[in-house]
Amino acid sequence: DTGVSQDPRHKITKRGQNVTFRCDPISEHNRLYWYRQTLGQGPEFLTYFQNEAQLEKSRLLSDRFSAERPKGSFSTLEIQRTEQGDSAMYLCASSLGSGRLNEQFFGPGTRLTVL
Amino acid sequence: AQSVTQLDSQVPVFEEAPVELRCNYSSSVSVYLFWYVQYPNQGLQLLLKYLSGSTLVKGINGFEAEFNKSQTSFHLRKPSVHISDTAEYFCAVSEKTGTASKLTFGTGTRLQVTL
Repeated sequence: DTGVSQDPRHKITKRGQNVTFRCDPISEHNRLYWYRQTLGQGPEFLTYFQNEAQLEKSRLLSDRFSAERPKGSFSTLEIQRTEQGDSAMYLCASSLGSGRLNEQFFGPGTRLTVL
Repeated sequence: AQSVTQLDSQVPVFEEAPVELRCNYSSSVSVYLFWYVQYPNQGLQLLLKYLSGSTLVKGINGFEAEFNKSQTSFHLRKPSVHISDTAEYFCAVSEKTGTASKLTFGTGTRLQVTL
């Protein structure tokens, strides 16, 4: 299967703990996006990478959140000192480029529950 | 900045009946338009997209949508729904210009198909 994969699929953690999620994009895709989806809402943009460069971050991405894409392949999203409000589905997507090529393919998501 | 409005949070319909899911958008620049479907506990799958050209676009699973620039709408239709179409449907836009190409989603419409 050459689609976008995310790991883990589910994560339950206690408030104050750190968590890290991984996303493996489609291999030839140079763009990688992170979105957050809370219950009953559409996905909201968090950040995106072109190759290894992080080019945009949403205001939703507080300083407790950090994302990396060290070699322009997989990406990690870390949340430090988790809060109950961080409970959500975290979606990763990848695309081949921008504009007309920006068909974003989504992974299955990581569902985070903060107790 | 752009925004997407999906006025109907839920649409109940009987199997084999036609359905229309409404989407209106607002943007100061030209946009690309997308419809995604999300099945329970899964990521998003692209149904169809409007990039340019013919305003009537056909997608997978028998869905189609019509772009109306004057009304800034991109409504999704299917002439005869099936039980398996039960899912959450999201309308999304991305800017044609600039480097971001992030997707801005509506809040979703839950399509519930019953016998």
